[in-house]
Amino acid sequence: GAVVSQHPSWVICKSGTSVKIECRSLDFQATTMFWYRQFPKQSLMLMATSNEGSKATYEQGVEKDKFLINHASLTLSTLTVTSAHPEDSSFYICSARRTGGFTEAFFGQGTRLTVV
Amino acid sequence: QQQVKQSPQSLIVQKGGISIINCAYENTAFDYFPWYQQFPGKGPALLIAIRPDVSEKKEGRFTISFNKSAKQFSLHIMDSQPGDSATYFCAAESTGDYKLSFGAGTTVTVRA
Repeated sequence: GAVVSQHPSWVICKSGTSVKIECRSLDFQATTMFWYRQFPKQSLMLMATSNEGSKATYEQGVEKDKFLINHASLTLSTLTVTSAHPEDSSFYICSARRTGGFTEAFFGQGTRLTVV
Repeated sequence: QQQVKQSPQSLIVQKGGISIINCAYENTAFDYFPWYQQFPGKGPALLIAIRPDVSEKKEGRFTISFNKSAKQFSLHIMDSQPGDSATYFCAAESTGDYKLSFGAGTTVTVRA
């Protein structure tokens, strides 16, 4: 199957700093990528939809200025957590679909963010 | 508000037994129903998926049963193995929206 790679797999940062997480589709082009957040023992919650070449669409309750999303190419989307605080500590997961309306979503391996 | 309700929250099954996870939805616009398997510290991986035009789909030891009128679907894991111990999520999506709504998840533990 298609591969979606996230980097880094885990990161620890100090409170008040910013952290960037990359999501790459390695062997296909993805017009649309999605960013999810998952707290321990909970389900995935969609944060935003990232569209190549346009602004991301955020779900209700997600702060746009805090979670900056950039989809600069058909294979790369980035999520930047700005001015991170301990409550932002979570597991962040991206997913991507092949351009052309294919149904299956491929997920990255996730990024564990810990803010201290 | 969870658009897809999943149960049970957890289950324990003996090796060789059958694991059954149930999901229900309200949004009749949903027309794609995948199941994902997630191991600790990893992203979810697609296990099997179904569309409403069929009532059952089987892939190896995994079977989805779909009841359109009841707006329910379930995952059956036959001959459960210790390697199947994971968290399983059902999800639903409507065509063109491409946004997956996930159930709360079921943690399956298979005892050897």
